[in-house]
Amino acid sequence: AQKVTQAQTEISVVEKEDVTLDCVYETRDTTYYLFWYKQPPSGELVFLIRRNSFDEQNEISGRYSWNFQKSTSSFNFTITASQVVDSAVYFCALSEAYGNKLVFGAGTILRVKS
Amino acid sequence: DSGVTQTPKHLITATGQRVTLRCSPRSGDLSVYWYQQSLDQGLQFLIHYYNGEERAKGNILERFSAQQFPDLHSELNLSSLELGDSALYFCASSPSGISNQPQHFGDGTRLSIL
Repeated sequence: AQKVTQAQTEISVVEKEDVTLDCVYETRDTTYYLFWYKQPPSGELVFLIRRNSFDEQNEISGRYSWNFQKSTSSFNFTITASQVVDSAVYFCALSEAYGNKLVFGAGTILRVKS
Repeated sequence: DSGVTQTPKHLITATGQRVTLRCSPRSGDLSVYWYQQSLDQGLQFLIHYYNGEERAKGNILERFSAQQFPDLHSELNLSSLELGDSALYFCASSPSGISNQPQHFGDGTRLSIL
């Protein structure tokens, strides 16, 4: 069965600090896809990134970076030099190759204080 | 703006009633997904439609039903509403429903049962 665990319920940082959000997943499939979504206070879900199970290259997009490690079944998300606008709930999600659904973690609330 | 449109944004009704939530997918997307976000259950997959046909079911109650119409918009019908059905209901769409395609979410319909 698929499972996504985001152990950090809530993180508070001061602006300009770096912060890493952890995500650990479980799946029996060898082909699967991992996603991160952001839910700002306004409530919508915003797609951030997708990673394939066969591509372990890390990815950087501006202040965002993602570290995928199959050996530890982790897909962590780092925000560098955090800003108040980064305050949101961040969800990690998993989709198996022959499934049609996203399985979400419980989410991590990130609060960035000025 | 994800391109996915959900109406209404808010819905307040009473126990025992029936409501219909509407979703228009992004232009060109054939797949529509419904998710429920509640405080106790988190984000849960309900159902997936592809080009008018049901493709997968998740934790969807028998009191809930959905359909996708020829113009690809979808409706989620919730009947015999209970207090526990209060939640944020999201619709998402993707081009073809293949697992590696990101799902893009609408802003959600917030359902409150009084």
